[in-house]
Amino acid sequence: DTAVSQTPKYLVTQMGNDKSIKCEQNLGHDTMYWYKQDSKKFLKIMFSYNNKELIINETVPNRFSPKSPDKAHLNLHINSLELGDSAVYFCASSQDTFSYEQYFGPGTRLTVT
Amino acid sequence: GQNIDQPTEMTATEGAIVQINCTYQTSGFNGLFWYQQHAGEAPTFLSYNVLDGLEEKGRFSSFLSRSKGYSYLLLKELQMKDSASYLCAVSLDSGAGSYQLTFGKGTKLSVIP
Repeated sequence: DTAVSQTPKYLVTQMGNDKSIKCEQNLGHDTMYWYKQDSKKFLKIMFSYNNKELIINETVPNRFSPKSPDKAHLNLHINSLELGDSAVYFCASSQDTFSYEQYFGPGTRLTVT
Repeated sequence: GQNIDQPTEMTATEGAIVQINCTYQTSGFNGLFWYQQHAGEAPTFLSYNVLDGLEEKGRFSSFLSRSKGYSYLLLKELQMKDSASYLCAVSLDSGAGSYQLTFGKGTKLSVIP
């Protein structure tokens, strides 16, 4: 069984479009995250949700809006896509905000043309 | 600000031992993690250190010195499949009782025959 899943795995779209990436975890974890990994492989946290509530919101453009309908899901919606948004986006989860181990999804490779 | 440094690339021979160093200058330190990431895949958890000393797990060991802001990951009996990026990550207190991972830029290890 897949612990943390993301869809789609690949996303190619044009500048100015709006797109969403979905994430689901079946581990019963309370905390979920979105990370961005750029072309230089630098992994940086974007958002963190605990029990559907936003607890970390790093400096990302407000074109990025996370939504957590329940604690097993954390979706990422991106408006007005730009070339610089091209990256791999990873969803992750952990038991709670204090747990040391995070489980990562397979990633979504977003290419903006 | 937060700063995490690790070498960009390393090369080692199959069967040998390699040590990957990580230094950090951070505030609100709560622990140090090592993740392994194969090309095109998600990061996977390797180890966690919160107290000074060595943690051993099979062929992999991780060491932490909090006073020196220093950690290393030691890989023994290297195998070709160990070729991957190794990410050093520091858990920081982000306030409101939550913690977040801040990653270094990763060390790409190439194991050669």
